[in-house]
Amino acid sequence: QKEVEQNSGPLSVPEGAIASLNCTYSDRGSQSFFWYRQYSGKSPELIMSIYSNGDKEDGRFTAQLNKASQYVSLLIRDSQPSDSATYLCAVRISGGYNKLIFGAGTRLAVHP
Amino acid sequence: DAGITQSPRHKVTETGTPVTLRCHQTENHRYMYWYRQDPGHGLRLIHYSYGVKDTDKGEVSDGYSVSRSKTEDFLLTLESATSSQTSVYFCAISESVTVHQETQYFGPGTRLLVL
Repeated sequence: QKEVEQNSGPLSVPEGAIASLNCTYSDRGSQSFFWYRQYSGKSPELIMSIYSNGDKEDGRFTAQLNKASQYVSLLIRDSQPSDSATYLCAVRISGGYNKLIFGAGTRLAVHP
Repeated sequence: DAGITQSPRHKVTETGTPVTLRCHQTENHRYMYWYRQDPGHGLRLIHYSYGVKDTDKGEVSDGYSVSRSKTEDFLLTLESATSSQTSVYFCAISESVTVHQETQYFGPGTRLLVL
């Protein structure tokens, strides 16, 4: 059974701090990794995708991938209360048709 | 929501009744997916489609069937609803399955309560 694991949280950080969200996956053949943000009662929206080992930065967000350790993370710099949401890690499993396995999500709470 | 609509948005039904959820897209994307989301489980794939009349099972397909007679519509049917199928259902679409082009975009979701 291919799995994606995330700490459910809540992860509580003060406004302006760095929030660090982590994810591990079991399928060594996975090549594509995604972070989605989901506000309460809303649908998931894509924040970042990452395909190569190392860091990928987009504004206040940085995704980090380490395929040897089967680990992907998301850093949010200068966290804002509007970043309070559940963050879902998704991994494309090896094989066709772009099937994603999602973690259960980490709830982030940014307090003023 | 990337040109994706779902209907109905909310539904309450009784155990044993059939239920059909509709996903409609205006993006002309080839690939469509149905997920359910439950507390503690994240999103789980029910069925997916890789073209008109081409569908396959996901990880939690028991009790569900799908149909896709047009590119824009992907229907999810619960043949005989059970309380364990109470969930939030999301449809997603993807233009391609090529790496770097395979992002999935989600519809607004349908909240289903089976009494």
